[in-house]
Amino acid sequence: DIVMTQSPDSLAVSLGERATINCKSSQTVLNSSTNKRYLAWYQQKPGQPPKLLIYWGSTRESGVPDRFSGSGSGTDFTLTISSLQAEDVAVYYCQQYYSAPYTFGQGTKLEIK
Amino acid sequence: EDQLVESGGGLVQPGGSLRLSCAASGFTFDTYWMHWVRQVPGKGLVWVSRINSDGTGTDYADSVKGRFTISRDNAENTVFLQMNSLSAEDTAVYYCTRGALEIFGLVTPHNWFDPWGQGTLVTVSS
Repeated sequence: DIVMTQSPDSLAVSLGERATINCKSSQTVLNSSTNKRYLAWYQQKPGQPPKLLIYWGSTRESGVPDRFSGSGSGTDFTLTISSLQAEDVAVYYCQQYYSAPYTFGQGTKLEIK
Repeated sequence: EDQLVESGGGLVQPGGSLRLSCAASGFTFDTYWMHWVRQVPGKGLVWVSRINSDGTGTDYADSVKGRFTISRDNAENTVFLQMNSLSAEDTAVYYCTRGALEIFGLVTPHNWFDPWGQGTLVTVSS
């Protein structure tokens, strides 16, 4: 199984500042023939189901604000929120869909400083 | 609007069984792979199972293999999760979610998840 490890476990950032969440996979999730990274990011607010933010490592889902961006290589990925808004308080998860079982990181809790 | 609504959760004794249902609407159900993901309250997300679009292919997490069975009724736009031999470790909110489709001439399923249902809580306790 591919193990996904996020860092940090929790993060406090001031409003308007940049938030960066990291995700590392235990093996590559890059399909070398297509050059696509099989990595998604989700946001989960309290009492709600997860919401898809990004897939293919950096493609924003329709309707997701452009302050959210994803980047990374075959094993190391980053979710960046360029200017934190109050509504971004949530737990963020990365997920690999390169191979079953489709594993998630443990989550990063993002709060306002 | 694409929507998924789970039902069937509740309290069950260890060793018991439960069948979850997920009713889909707003999209062409029989085109998409469907998945179940669970979450212990306050903890992370764990993928449980998936079924392909015509129901002929399934996959399971090792933790549920041999105990859980995923199925679907495309005529009723519903996916099911039959859970047997339940233990306390199966206590969680169970989410139904849809896999993605990439359409560039060919239709290719991918396993990122959107949308998600609101979830149904399964509690295994005596």
